[in-house]
Amino acid sequence: AQSVTQLDSHVSVSEGTPVLLRCNYSSSYSPSLFWYVQHPNKGLQLLLKYTSAATLVKGINGFEAEFKKSETSFHLTKPSAHMSDAAEYFCVVRSNDYKLSFGAGTTVTVRA
Amino acid sequence: EAGVAQSPRYKIIEKRQSVAFWCNPISGHATLYWYQQILGQGPKLLIQFQNNGVVDDSQLPKDRFSAERLKGVDSTLKIQPAKLEDSAVYLCASRRGQNTEAFFGQGTRLTVV
Repeated sequence: AQSVTQLDSHVSVSEGTPVLLRCNYSSSYSPSLFWYVQHPNKGLQLLLKYTSAATLVKGINGFEAEFKKSETSFHLTKPSAHMSDAAEYFCVVRSNDYKLSFGAGTTVTVRA
Repeated sequence: EAGVAQSPRYKIIEKRQSVAFWCNPISGHATLYWYQQILGQGPKLLIQFQNNGVVDDSQLPKDRFSAERLKGVDSTLKIQPAKLEDSAVYLCASRRGQNTEAFFGQGTRLTVV
């Protein structure tokens, strides 16, 4: 069985400062990992994915994530937050039979 | 390409009533998922279809929830009778094949009063 734990339920940053969203996973095999973003009243949008290629993954809107097997982590970062980054972010692990398991989510607020 | 379409966007019903949600996946996507997202939580898988067959419905409360994908394209999710705790956003997602990403619809927000 696989699962993800998002370590922060809420992150607040100032515009222009770095963003760090933490995710730890549990999996009995080499996982595929994803970050999705959900803006209010919008559908889930894929930010980036790790599928056993490069451990540093670049996504859309300046986000990137690093897969660290030794730490079972897949933290999401962005060097400079923008007001439009305010949203809910989900870390997701995919099983071998292609089921997606979501973390509880991290709400990001960006202060002007 | 058109995205995953869901309807209705919003629905308010009284407890013990019935409700149905509809999903039209992206053309050519063989895999279709229904997720339940309760406020403040991550989405939880209810059922996964591969074409018109069920792959996993272990988390579907089968005493009140049902889903079908008769022709392997559109899908409907039904709740009968609804309970207050069914209030949530119901998300549909589809995927073309192995090792491809899943695309999500905007969801149907259900409020049971």
